[in-house]
Amino acid sequence: ETGVTQSPTHLIKTRGQQVTLRCSSQSGHNTVSWYQQALGQGPQFIFQYYREEENGRGNFPPRFSGLQFPNYSSELNVNALELDDSALYLCASTRPGTGGNEQYFGPGTRLTVT
Amino acid sequence: KNEVEQSPQNLTAQEGEFITINCSYSVGISALHWLQQHPGGGIVSLFMLSSGKKKHGRLIATINIQEKHSSLHITASHPRDSAVYICAVRPTNFGNEKLTFGTGTRLTIIP
Repeated sequence: ETGVTQSPTHLIKTRGQQVTLRCSSQSGHNTVSWYQQALGQGPQFIFQYYREEENGRGNFPPRFSGLQFPNYSSELNVNALELDDSALYLCASTRPGTGGNEQYFGPGTRLTVT
Repeated sequence: KNEVEQSPQNLTAQEGEFITINCSYSVGISALHWLQQHPGGGIVSLFMLSSGKKKHGRLIATINIQEKHSSLHITASHPRDSAVYICAVRPTNFGNEKLTFGTGTRLTIIP
């Protein structure tokens, strides 16, 4: 049990729609990262938030955006969904004071775009 | 070429066998993680290493920083060890907690 939860567990959307995925971290985990994992691949870094500000971004277009809230929850928003956005989306939070090395992963949200 | 390479991609073994999964990386790192992912997706962090060796139960992880190589060993393997094992590194050239992942090793232990 990592203490990180994600919702929803599964989601089916149509191409062109918008989606919001949610992640709830443990109290005090002020850094959250989002990853996209396509089938059969390792996770790819989307972006990271630290104290509610974006703190690094991978090779994802601007239609992938995020928010982090003071209550240690965060959101990943994807606009204009494409078929290739079908993947498992993982969030991971970091406990401060550990040198940034202890990451706790959520169970993921599986998004299917049809 | 990926920054993190794992071998083998797939591994099938009999229950009780000693298992070794390898990870090589090409960038400077501040830490390396071994993660376990079961069907359904959830990822569990097994180890975080920056040097040397760590042991937890039947699992042992080693890292050689000079050779940019790490191994995950499982002793007395059991069918419940069947999962995808992923190596991930934290590059030193990023000022954040970004992890770069390998594509994983799918381990199947046959009773």
